[in-house]
Amino acid sequence: LAKTTQPISMDSYEGQEVNITCSHNNIATNDYITWYQQFPSQGPRFIIQGYKTKVTNEVASLFIPADRKSSTLSLPRVSLSDTAVYYCLEGLRGNTGKLIFGQGTTLQVKP
Amino acid sequence: DARVTQTPRHKVTEMGQEVTMRCQPILGHNTVFWYRQTMMQGLELLAYFRNRAPLDDSGMPKDRFSAEMPDATLATLKIQPSEPRDSAVYFCASGTQTPTDTQYFGPGTRLTVL
Repeated sequence: LAKTTQPISMDSYEGQEVNITCSHNNIATNDYITWYQQFPSQGPRFIIQGYKTKVTNEVASLFIPADRKSSTLSLPRVSLSDTAVYYCLEGLRGNTGKLIFGQGTTLQVKP
Repeated sequence: DARVTQTPRHKVTEMGQEVTMRCQPILGHNTVFWYRQTMMQGLELLAYFRNRAPLDDSGMPKDRFSAEMPDATLATLKIQPSEPRDSAVYFCASGTQTPTDTQYFGPGTRLTVL
């Protein structure tokens, strides 16, 4: 069973910032938080990963509060091409192994 | 641009037939994963290998599914005999024990069992 909880779906409009929050109330000390993106008819693609505070890359930002029981993926100024399913996962870093995918959040970006 | 490749991309077969799906991981990756995705169950991990040795196949129906890595450049997932409930998209992913542990997914094999 997935250890994370996130909204099933979200709608947004082009140009808006989208924030998707994930709950991981039982995250272990050594677990990292990773987000993947999946477009229709494609495999999931790594977006971003973090342990605490804030991480930013060319695609997104990831905010993790001090208690690490939640995380927020932030997509700046979304476009239609950001329509996808976004998965939040927790797992051990440095021990490539099981990643349990939940249902993910289906983001629909509208014109 | 290194990618995971999977063959075939689409497969339609009849119930009872054997199905073999192949995956070529990214060169240098030592971990290979097999996932199955359906609308009802989402993405499920079936099995994974590290350095060609099976580490966990607890997600795989043992009676009909088998996964192997004959060499470092080839992973196979076999279903024998296939059943309609096996219809799904099967993804292979590969990775290394890098700091980010990123898994790189292939394009998937869409299997339809009639």
